[in-house]
Amino acid sequence: EAAVTQSPRNKVTVTGGNVTLSCRQTNSHNYMYWYRQDTGHGLRLIHYSYGAGNLQIGDVPDGYKATRTTQEDFFLLLELASPSQTSLYFCASSGGTGRNTGQLYFGEGSKLTVL
Amino acid sequence: GDSVTQTEGQVTVSESKSLIINCTYSATSIAYPNLFWYVRYPGEGLQLLLKVITAGQKGSSRGFEATYNKETTSFHLQKASVQESDSAVYYCALRQDTNAYKVIFGKGTHLHVLP
Repeated sequence: EAAVTQSPRNKVTVTGGNVTLSCRQTNSHNYMYWYRQDTGHGLRLIHYSYGAGNLQIGDVPDGYKATRTTQEDFFLLLELASPSQTSLYFCASSGGTGRNTGQLYFGEGSKLTVL
Repeated sequence: GDSVTQTEGQVTVSESKSLIINCTYSATSIAYPNLFWYVRYPGEGLQLLLKVITAGQKGSSRGFEATYNKETTSFHLQKASVQESDSAVYYCALRQDTNAYKVIFGKGTHLHVLP
């Protein structure tokens, strides 16, 4: 079973604060993703990566940076947090290539509140 | 860009009745996306329900079925007889077979099954 671990699970910060959300997967998956989940919007893709040092821009990237330091670790950075970034954040990973793979394995989520 | 549209909001169905949650997709950048249904049961993480990677094929799991219809660009989720334990949030998702395997989701459908 794929394991994806997120930290912190809960974070409260103030407007303008600096936040880093961490994600580690231990199954040697190539692909990793950061999503935010909001009522009425479902899951929206922020950034994703297909390997260490790679970064792809998702659909809602404004205000977020990300970095994939190793195959296992993918970080989401909010350098000047705003209340609009209050959300539940999910990290996910996926292994393999081609058309026969693609299942995402999700972490448990990180709840971020920006006051 | 690519997008996924599914039945929005809450769907309420009485136990033993049939269910359909609609999902249509727009995949302008690729011809053959992989299609998925994910589910989040109360108190649990997001997990794969079923997937289909080939047009015309049907996926099934836990009594749910979905057929990949390339002509109508649809992937509706159906179940002949729902149970109270099926109450959950269901997400339709599309995975591109190119572009670093970007995965996008619909907004989610909250299924409430009445006992």
